[in-house]
Amino acid sequence: QVQLVQTGAEVKNPGASVKVSCKGSGYNFTGYLIHWVRQAPGQGLEWMGWIKPKSGEPHYAQNLQGRVTMTRDTSISTAYMELSRLTSDDSAVYYCTREDLFLGQGAFDIWGQGTMVTVSS
Amino acid sequence: DIVMTQTPLSSRVTLGQPASISCRSSQSLVHTDGNTYLSWFHQRPGQPPRLLIYKISYRFSGVPDRFSGSGAGTDFTLRISSVEAEDVGVYYCMQGSQWETFGQGTKLEIK
Repeated sequence: QVQLVQTGAEVKNPGASVKVSCKGSGYNFTGYLIHWVRQAPGQGLEWMGWIKPKSGEPHYAQNLQGRVTMTRDTSISTAYMELSRLTSDDSAVYYCTREDLFLGQGAFDIWGQGTMVTVSS
Repeated sequence: DIVMTQTPLSSRVTLGQPASISCRSSQSLVHTDGNTYLSWFHQRPGQPPRLLIYKISYRFSGVPDRFSGSGAGTDFTLRISSVEAEDVGVYYCMQGSQWETFGQGTKLEIK
């Protein structure tokens, strides 16, 4: 079936970087944008950016520019999100999600299970 | 950036009764291609969000027909015609017309 599977939970020190992976299966990985969304504990959803798997072109939310890098490896149908210079404010569950542009922009139809990132000394 | 504002932030509804959530954008969501990219998601505790509605009123595959979306321009509404126990959780609107922005979320509980 169509799914996105993410890496497991991470614990990082302040100032470190974290790289989360998101493996797609059951569909043409290069045919759909991958977005990243995060959710701090007890808080709402925050959009972080997207990557076009076919070209590798990324676009990042303005407040994360300079700290976030989104890449992909099409040979293994996997997208990556790396966040640097972590602070406690970056502690959150990070989700990858697929956008089905056939339905329309914002149609995030498949979601990964989420990756908990904890930033703590 | 477009700001999305949801009301109410919390709602308690009796089983079988209707519920509605409003979502207002700080500017028109009509895209240059003529479409309006407003989606609704439902999230249960400990789970990722689930797509309910896209392009204001299109119900995603498998979503029960008690869910409906409406609106235009800057004002949008999600309606549940008859709330069921499985509908509890948090509902988010999201605009996709100019990058992406989520509303703050509306928590739905059963009275």
